[in-house]
Amino acid sequence: AQSVTQPDIHITVSEGASLELRCNYSYGATPYLFWYVQSPGQGLQLLLKYFSGDTLVQGIKGFEAEFKRSQSSFNLRKPSVHWSDAAEYFCAVDQTGANNLFFGTGTRLTVIP
Amino acid sequence: DTAVSQTPKYLVTQMGNDKSIKCEQNLGHDTMYWYKQDSKKFLKIMFSYNNKELIINETVPNRFSPKSPDKAHLNLHINSLELGDSAVYFCASSQDHAGYNEQFFGPGTRLTVL
Repeated sequence: AQSVTQPDIHITVSEGASLELRCNYSYGATPYLFWYVQSPGQGLQLLLKYFSGDTLVQGIKGFEAEFKRSQSSFNLRKPSVHWSDAAEYFCAVDQTGANNLFFGTGTRLTVIP
Repeated sequence: DTAVSQTPKYLVTQMGNDKSIKCEQNLGHDTMYWYKQDSKKFLKIMFSYNNKELIINETVPNRFSPKSPDKAHLNLHINSLELGDSAVYFCASSQDHAGYNEQFFGPGTRLTVL
């Protein structure tokens, strides 16, 4: 069965600190991988995606993610967090190639001054 | 211009009622989706349509019926509402249903069933 694990339910970081959000998946082959962000009361917005090529992908708002096949991971990083980054972050995978996204349970990011 | 819009934003209703949520996208996309986000923020796909044809139909009760009058609209009709239907429902669209295409999400409709 497909699964996407985001082990951290809630993370708190200080503004200006670095950030890493973890995502692990369990599939036979490499699926398409995505990170979405959901600000309070809003819909989701795509931060970045990976489906082939360079395993380090750059996204919007200064985010990047690294695909590690050996660890079945696709962790999201940002070198310096801004207060406006406070939101819910979702990792998602598409194993079928038909844009059938399966989401993780999300990580809520709190940014403190 | 709002890319993906949903109406209404909030919907409060009694158990047993029938209600509809409307979704429209002005991006010229071929594929549209409905997702349900529960109280724990878990987001699950319900349906997707490509050019008015059903592509994905996850395990959803028959009380939920999507309708796509044209490729810019995908409405969700729910019959005999139950308490467990309370959730936020998101509509989304993508250029087509190829796996690498970004999905653009609407702002959500918060449904509360009393």
